Amino acid sequence: AQSVTQLDSQVPVFEEAPVELRCNYSSSVSVYLFWYVQYPNQGLQLLLKYLSGSTLVKGINGFEAEFNKSQTSFHLRKPSVHISDTAEYFCAVSESNRDDKIIFGKGTRLHILP
Amino acid sequence: NAGVTQTPKFQVLKTGQSMTLQCAQDMNHEYMSWYRQDPGMGLRLIHYSVGAGITDQGEVPNGYNVSRSTTEDFPLRLLSAAPSQTSVYFCASSSLGQGALGYTFGSGTRLTVV
Repeated sequence: AQSVTQLDSQVPVFEEAPVELRCNYSSSVSVYLFWYVQYPNQGLQLLLKYLSGSTLVKGINGFEAEFNKSQTSFHLRKPSVHISDTAEYFCAVSESNRDDKIIFGKGTRLHILP
Repeated sequence: NAGVTQTPKFQVLKTGQSMTLQCAQDMNHEYMSWYRQDPGMGLRLIHYSVGAGITDQGEVPNGYNVSRSTTEDFPLRLLSAAPSQTSVYFCASSSLGQGALGYTFGSGTRLTVV
């Protein structure tokens, strides 16, 4: 079975500064990886996903993530954050032969400081 | 607008009461699932379904029942509510075999059991 660990429950960062949200996974089979974003009082939206191919994936709102198989990581980055990026971010994983069942991490709350 | 619709948005129950959380999607998605979201716990899978007449348990199924009589609807039933079921509940759907495209989430039901 696969699992996901988000190493930080909260990350404060100043506006216009870069940010990295960390995610590690474990699985005995090949996986798909996802980042979802949840804005206050809303449901989750897909931010980006890694299925195969290039290890650097770009998503919406200027976010990107890099798949590192040797380190079993899928960290999310943004070079310059805005106040509108205040949200909770969830890393998620599924087995590549069972992409209908996704396991979520516990989430990282991103606080943007003015 | 196409998507996943959850009702009600808010609900307060007394311990021991029963209720049904409704979830409907109009995208002809085969796969539907229910998650609960608790602070610091991320999203935990309660039940899921891969098509009409087929349901299965997720990570935390106790205290919840589901059925799938149509492709569109996937209600979640609480037979005897307990304070431990106070949570935010999300319904999600995807096309079977295309979960890698990402789930579509409803906007959630905030349930309080007193």
